[in-house]
Amino acid sequence: KNQVEQSPQSLIILEGKNCTLQCNYTVSPFSNLRWYKQDTGRGPVSLTIMTFSENTKSNGRYTATLDADTKQSSLHITASQLSDSASYICVVSGGTGFQKLVFGTGTRLLVSP
Amino acid sequence: GAGVSQSPRYKVAKRGQDVALRCDPISGHVSLFWYQQALGQGPEFLTYFQNEAQLDKSGLPSDRFFAERPEGSVSTLKIQRTQQEDSAVYLCASSTTGGRNTGELFFGEGSRLTVL
Repeated sequence: KNQVEQSPQSLIILEGKNCTLQCNYTVSPFSNLRWYKQDTGRGPVSLTIMTFSENTKSNGRYTATLDADTKQSSLHITASQLSDSASYICVVSGGTGFQKLVFGTGTRLLVSP
Repeated sequence: GAGVSQSPRYKVAKRGQDVALRCDPISGHVSLFWYQQALGQGPEFLTYFQNEAQLDKSGLPSDRFFAERPEGSVSTLKIQRTQQEDSAVYLCASSTTGGRNTGELFFGEGSRLTVL
C-alpha cells in the first residue's frame, strides 16, 4: 500500500531555533515529493517540489532533502519565526492513476516566543 | 481570480440533508482535485477532473458523493443524505498540467462541513 509517514507528529521549539521534520514513503512508482505548509484553517501552500534526481531544494529558510534510495525526505527550518507555526505535510506523487498524490498526516510545529 | 476560491467556507447541516460545495479554480487551470481532510489528518483524495472530464473518482467514499465540472471550470461537490462521518474540511485544488504529469497544486481555503 502506498503510504507516507511523518515524524514527529508534533514539535515545539523556541523562536530562532532550527528544526528538522522527517518523511518516509513507500509510494511506487515515484514521481516527485512535495512539502506543504498548512496554517490553521487555511489550505496547504507549496514549499518545495523535488523530482527523483534532486537531492536538495531550498525556499528561503526552508530546505528540503530527498534520498530516493532510502525513500526518505526531510524539511529543515532555519532560524524559526512565530509565523512558522503550522502543519507541515509531506506529499508524494506517484503510484497509479491520474495525478494521485499520497499525503502524510503532517507534523504540527509550534514556535514559541 | 487570483487564487482558488471555495464556498461556503463553513456549512452546518442536519443529518440527512443534502449539501453542495463550490470550487472556483484558477482561471485556465486544466486539472481540478477534491480532497477530504479530517481533523488532525492529511487530505485524502476524492476525485480528479481534467477539464470537464472526471478521470478518477476512486476516492469518493460512497454513492452519496457526487462531483461535477460541466464546463471545465467551476466544480461542485455534492453530498446527499449527509452523515456525521462526513464532517470534515473539503479542499479543492487546481493545477495547470493535465494527464499523469502532476504539476504544482494550488489549494483553496477549504469548506468546513459539520453534520449534526
